[in-house]
Amino acid sequence: GGIITQTPKFLIGQEGQKLTLKCQQNFNHDTMYWYRQDSGKGLRLIYYSITENDLQKGDLSEGYDASREKKSSFSLTVTSAQKNEMAVFLCASSVGTGGGNTLYFGEGSRLIVV
Amino acid sequence: QQQVRQSPQSLTVWEGETAILNCSYEDSTFNYFPWYQQFPGEGPALLISIRSVSDKKEDGRFTIFFNKREKKLSLHITDSQPGDSATYFCAARISGGSNYKLTFGKGTLLTVTP
Repeated sequence: GGIITQTPKFLIGQEGQKLTLKCQQNFNHDTMYWYRQDSGKGLRLIYYSITENDLQKGDLSEGYDASREKKSSFSLTVTSAQKNEMAVFLCASSVGTGGGNTLYFGEGSRLIVV
Repeated sequence: QQQVRQSPQSLTVWEGETAILNCSYEDSTFNYFPWYQQFPGEGPALLISIRSVSDKKEDGRFTIFFNKREKKLSLHITDSQPGDSATYFCAARISGGSNYKLTFGKGTLLTVTP
C-alpha cells in the first residue's frame, strides 16, 4: 500500500498572498492531480501531471500554478489568494493511463483566506 | 455545463433500509463510472465502479445499476449501516487512451439513522 501526504493540513493566508500547497505520494504512481472541493460543488480539476516535469491544465487552472518537481511530489500555488477561494484542496495520484484508473486521494488541505 | 449530475443532494435512511443514489451524465463517450465514498475529514476513496459494457456491478451490499440508453446509473446500498454515512460521488471518464480526466458529480450526502 501507499499513502498521499498533503502539507499543510490548514493554510491561512491574507488576501493577495501567494500560497503553496505540497503533496507527496509513495505509490510510485506516474500521474498526479490537484482537485478543489467546495461545499455542494463536488470536485473540480485544477492541474494534473502525467509524469515528472509534465503539467496539464484542468477546468479551474486560472489563478493557480503547479509544479511536478519529481515523480513523488506535486505542488500547487495559489498565485493571489482571494476570500472566495476558501476551499479544500485534494491531491490524488493514479498509476497512469489505461483501463479504469483508480485515483488515490490525500486527506486534503484547507485554505483559509483572511 | 454540468456533465455528471447526482440526486438527491442529501438522503436520510433508517438503518437496515436500502439507500438509492442516482447519477446521470451527458457525454455518450463516457464508458467508465466509478463511485467514490468520502467521510468527513478524509479524501474520497474508490467504492465500486462499472464499465459501460455491463448493466450491473455488485460488491457486497453495494450495487451499481447502469442504463446506457438513458445515460443513467444508480448506486444501491442494501441493509444500510450508520457507518455508511458519508458523501458519495459519481464520476465518469473515457477509459483508456490519453484522457486522464475524471468528471465528478456534486455528491450525495447520505445519513443512516440508527
